[in-house]
Amino acid sequence: ETGVTQTPRHLVMGMTNKKSLKCEQHLGHNAMYWYKQSAKKPLELMFVYNFKEQTENNSVPSRFSPECPNSSHLFLHLHTLQPEDSALYLCASSQGGAGWETQYFGPGTRLLVL
Amino acid sequence: KNEVEQSPQNLTAQEGEFITINCSYSVGISALHWLQQHPGGGIVSLFMLSSGKKKHGRLIATINIQEKHSSLHITASHPRDSAVYICAAPFNNTDKLIFGTGTRLQVFP
Repeated sequence: ETGVTQTPRHLVMGMTNKKSLKCEQHLGHNAMYWYKQSAKKPLELMFVYNFKEQTENNSVPSRFSPECPNSSHLFLHLHTLQPEDSALYLCASSQGGAGWETQYFGPGTRLLVL
Repeated sequence: KNEVEQSPQNLTAQEGEFITINCSYSVGISALHWLQQHPGGGIVSLFMLSSGKKKHGRLIATINIQEKHSSLHITASHPRDSAVYICAAPFNNTDKLIFGTGTRLQVFP
């Protein structure tokens, strides 16, 4: 248990569906991250939120829409996804968002887009 | 070419063997992270180091900033060490981590 939970753990969706991924951290951290991990590729940073403000958008397509209502919760809203968006989506948190801080990862949501 | 390169990509070992995984990076960094990812996906942070060496149980991480190289060693390896080991570093004085492709380790009894 890392103190970061993600739901759902598995998700299958069609290209016309709308779904949301949820992340919650119980560590009192101020920074939260979304990462994408595709097969045979390194982890890719998608978004960073620091004190609820988005500080990084790593050229992510607009069909992925993040939301951070407070420092403990992070959502990733998905709509009109493509099959190539199938991947493991990982949420993480850290104390303040600095690159040298330890990040605590959730278990991930494995997404399949049909 | 990825800015963070790991070798080997795959590694198999017998229980008890000494394991070394290498990580090289192409630009200056302030710190380097070693992470462990078990089957099923969950990632755990093992080390963050900016110089020298750190040890935690059977795991040892070293870094040489001048040579832009870090190693992760596992002594007396055990089947439960089987996982993907990933190194990552923040580049160009940013907080954005760049990740290596990972080394898949399998330790057989």
